[in-house]
Amino acid sequence: DSGVTQTPKHLITATGQRVTLRCSPRSGDLSVYWYQQSLDQGLQFLIQYYNGEERAKGNILERFSAQQFPDLHSELNLSSLELGDSALYFCASSVAPGDYEQYFGPGTRLTVT
Amino acid sequence: QQPVQSPQAVILREGEDAVINCSSSKALYSVHWYRQKHGEAPVFLMILLKGGEQKGHEKISASFNEKKQQSSLYLTASQLSYSGTYFCGTEGTGAGSYQLTFGKGTKLSVIP
Repeated sequence: DSGVTQTPKHLITATGQRVTLRCSPRSGDLSVYWYQQSLDQGLQFLIQYYNGEERAKGNILERFSAQQFPDLHSELNLSSLELGDSALYFCASSVAPGDYEQYFGPGTRLTVT
Repeated sequence: QQPVQSPQAVILREGEDAVINCSSSKALYSVHWYRQKHGEAPVFLMILLKGGEQKGHEKISASFNEKKQQSSLYLTASQLSYSGTYFCGTEGTGAGSYQLTFGKGTKLSVIP
């Protein structure tokens, strides 16, 4: 158990819908990262937050947005969902940005039908 | 740009050694290695920094050739528990680049 929690574990929704994925980082960690993992693309970095501020942005679609709240939990919002958004979404946390070990949560499996 | 890992897959018998390579086309500041078992989250193995510093587990060894933008992960005397997919994540040298770009992974299977 990494200490990072993600909810929900599984999510099945229809195209065009909007969903919110939630992540609570490990106690003491200030940085949160979001990744998308699909079979053919591996782990894709989406976005990173540090102490409430956005620090880095990767291949995140405009339909996706995220934020980190004062209590350091983070939410990833996915809207106008398409079939291709079906994937495993991981949240990870670390003490700070940069070269620190990232602890991954168990992931949320999103299926868009 | 996504780093290239090789081989894509490898099968070992217990006790055999393996090397997994990670190559990037851009200048790197650090290379991170993670292992992911089927149905589980990735787990940290090691970080190699420009300049030679390493952070990670004592039983895992790796190298980082800054000039060639390459890293290799060495798995010796493999055990069944080593099975999984190994990912390298690279961090560029741009200022404030806090994001990791992961390779597509190397699937390692250790058989008795």
